[in-house]
Amino acid sequence: EAQVTQNPRYLITVTGKKLTVTCSQNMNHEYMSWYRQDPGLGLRQIYYSMNVEVTDKGDVPEGYKVSRKEKRNFPLILESPSPNQTSLYFCASSGRAEAFFGQGTRLTVV
Amino acid sequence: DQQVKQNSPSLSVQEGRISILNCDYTNSMFDYFLWYKKYPAEGPTFLISISSIKDKNEDGRFTVFLNKSAKHLSLHIVPSQPGDSAVYFCAASRNAGGTSYGKLTFGQGTILTVHP
Repeated sequence: EAQVTQNPRYLITVTGKKLTVTCSQNMNHEYMSWYRQDPGLGLRQIYYSMNVEVTDKGDVPEGYKVSRKEKRNFPLILESPSPNQTSLYFCASSGRAEAFFGQGTRLTVV
Repeated sequence: DQQVKQNSPSLSVQEGRISILNCDYTNSMFDYFLWYKKYPAEGPTFLISISSIKDKNEDGRFTVFLNKSAKHLSLHIVPSQPGDSAVYFCAASRNAGGTSYGKLTFGQGTILTVHP
């Protein structure tokens, strides 16, 4: 079954404590992305990757890092989370057609 | 600067009637457009797409119309069913021929409620 798997689904953390949200896809897709969803703003792209070791900033990259060491994995790293990064995060992967999304990670930074 | 806009936060429709969801964009470089549907506690799922070389694409009950001169697209759902109740996002990308599918620009979403 084609899947994009994110972990964890829910996370509450404190300001400044580094965290990583993992994302894995089993479709051998080249393109992977991270989005955040906020009320009234829709989904905004944080970072994307067009292939292994190739990443680029999206529309709201500040405070985030990514890496693409393997084709299937695209972790999102928050080195020093702040309350304004409280949001619903989605990982997506795509080939030559539409993007497939993970189930989301709800992050709360207190 | 919101390059893709869905100006109606919500839409309420009776079962069996037509639902029309609208989306406007400002970037004339966008050449591929998609609609996604999202249920609570799930990720968005792809619904239908259209390339800028077309003005209409149909898939079952779902039809997307593109008016390039007006920079406007719409999603028609006929007939609407209660299971269609969800948040609908339109999205746009550049260079449909190859490398842009990793970068989608989304609208704010429209909550569709279909009443039995």
